[in-house]
Formats: sequence, structure tokens, C-alpha cells
Amino acid sequence: ETGVTQSPTHLIKTRGQQVTLRCSSQSGHNTVSWYQQALGQGPQFIFQYYREEENGRGNFPPRFSGLQFPNYSSELNVNALELDDSALYLCASSPPLVEVYGYTFGSGTRLTVV
Amino acid sequence: KQEVTQIPAALSVPEGENLVLNCSFTDSAIYNLQWFRQDPGKGLTSLLLIQSSQREQTSGRLNASLDKSSGRSTLYIAASQPGDSATYLCAVTGAAGNKLTFGGGTRVLVKP
Repeated sequence: ETGVTQSPTHLIKTRGQQVTLRCSSQSGHNTVSWYQQALGQGPQFIFQYYREEENGRGNFPPRFSGLQFPNYSSELNVNALELDDSALYLCASSPPLVEVYGYTFGSGTRLTVV
Repeated sequence: KQEVTQIPAALSVPEGENLVLNCSFTDSAIYNLQWFRQDPGKGLTSLLLIQSSQREQTSGRLNASLDKSSGRSTLYIAASQPGDSATYLCAVTGAAGNKLTFGGGTRVLVKP
């Protein structure tokens, strides 16, 4: 089975621009979550999507938005990029019964805002 | 609000020594606790998952325990190897089941 795949792996953007990051969930997983990880810190929850709807959101402003598609893949969009948005963005997918199987993470997208 | 703490933040041991990594959390209403490994600049690899009703899980040289009442988990790595050098993160899934709350990680260096 394929795991969680993210694209692109690296990205450099200019402050004020917009960016879209993509994630394909693992086969059999119907929920996708996004996390932001600043250097030297643990990942912070951005939001989760289930059945194409947002199912929980962390402490991130509205310029962070997302989508989930019928095939359970997902996009993370960030508008009006700020320097502090530079981070590793991680996508995680989970099957039903997350309490039993937990979350599976992708390799991440390294975003640098200059 | 759930808070997860990992102590120590960094650890350096000689090869062959056993590793003990600690994780504490403030809210015992969890679905499960996961331990992850992260290599520099890479994604997270799940090592062990302990459901809230379980006390421990084992995989090879790894053993993780969970004490929900005291809000603690410990990851033991037996007979450490240089390849075990990485950052280890613990995370709990809250009762809503919709997010992981992570600790800050423990950076481990195993010296040959």
C-alpha cells in the first residue's frame, strides 16, 4: 500500500504571495490533517478534513484554508504569506478507528518565505 | 487545553546504552498516545501506538508504557545504536479524535 505523499518537497515564496500544498492520503484512510512544524519545535495542528468538510481547527488565522477531495486527497492554501510561515508542513491521514490505528504522516513540504 | 511535555530536550549516550525518553500530558481524556521518530528535515515515522485502555506496547528493541492516571508515558530503546540518532516525538489524540497534540521532542545522539 502507498503511504501519504506530499508535493512539492521544497518551495520558496515571497512575502505576500499565495501557496498551495498537496497531499494524497494513504489507501483506506478517509481523514486528512495538516500540521505546521517550526524549526526545533513539535508540530502544531492546523486543521482536519473529514468527508470534505473541516472537522476541527487549531489556532491559525483564516488565511490558512484547505480542501478535501472525493478521493480523500487534500490541499492546504496559505494566502498573504508572512516570514513566520516558513516551516515544514506535514500532512497526516487516518482511517476510521483512529484510536486503534493512529495517524500516518507524509514526508512534508519545506516552505521558505523570503 | 492539552499540553504535552518531553524531558529531556536533548540526550547524548554511548552506543549500547539503554535510552529512556519521557513524555507527560495534562489531560487524561485521550484516545491514544503515539511515539514518532523524525530524522532531520524529514517527516514523522510512527514507532508505537498505545491505546488509552492499554498499559504498554513493544516492537523489537522499543517498549513504550502509558500511565493515563498520572499523565505519563515512557519510551525505552534497548541497546542503542548510532542509527537510533534522531528526534523522538510523543503525541496524544484527544477525546474528540480529530487532532494530535505534540510534545517538543527529545533529540537523541548515540555516539559510536
